[in-house]
Amino acid sequence: SYDLTQPRSVSVALGQTARITCGGINIGSKNVHWYQQRPGQAPVLVIYRDSNRPSGIPERISGSNDVSNSGSTATLTISGAQAEDDADYYCQVWDTSAVVFGGGTKLTVL
Amino acid sequence: QVQLVESGGGVVQPGTSLRLSCAASGFTFSTYTMHWVRQAPGKGLEWVALDGSDKYYADSVKGRFTVSRDNSKNTLYLQMDSLRPHDTAVYYCARALCNGNTCYMDPLDYWGQGTLVTVSS
Repeated sequence: SYDLTQPRSVSVALGQTARITCGGINIGSKNVHWYQQRPGQAPVLVIYRDSNRPSGIPERISGSNDVSNSGSTATLTISGAQAEDDADYYCQVWDTSAVVFGGGTKLTVL
Repeated sequence: QVQLVESGGGVVQPGTSLRLSCAASGFTFSTYTMHWVRQAPGKGLEWVALDGSDKYYADSVKGRFTVSRDNSKNTLYLQMDSLRPHDTAVYYCARALCNGNTCYMDPLDYWGQGTLVTVSS
């Protein structure tokens, strides 16, 4: 089965830039989606197909997935982090007849 | 607006069955791929199953869980048999973003609030 690896936690000072990585074999060849989940709430889609933002998602949230990178890593970037960005973030792909989620990253805004 | 409302959760004993429902509104339910995703207490998201032109299941539930839908009632179901303690989780239903029954690679753009299933003796 396909595995997606995320750091368990990332910390960022208020107003600074946070980067959350999602690692997987040949991930550059896949469409990567990202979800934000605040405590007690359902997940919310924040980035889809590597770098697209759904309506209502602030521009400070962006995504990248280097298709030329035979490795390995997609990245969710939150520029100018705000208190409301303090949440869990999950990456997700489709692989061989299954949806796969990363283990999740707890982003703490200090 | 799109709404997904899960129901049917509860406390059950190991080895028993439970059926979850997800009532959909605000979109043409019959043309969308739908998913079940679960989250054990304090843990991450785990995909369970999808219902589209085909049905797919996570290895952890294959042979025990069955996904189905009734388009006349705009409702998605998850029949869960031979339940085990590690099936304890909040179960979410979610819709695939694109309008089509083969949108398996697409993200999940709308989620319900979830229903809690507790499997315990």
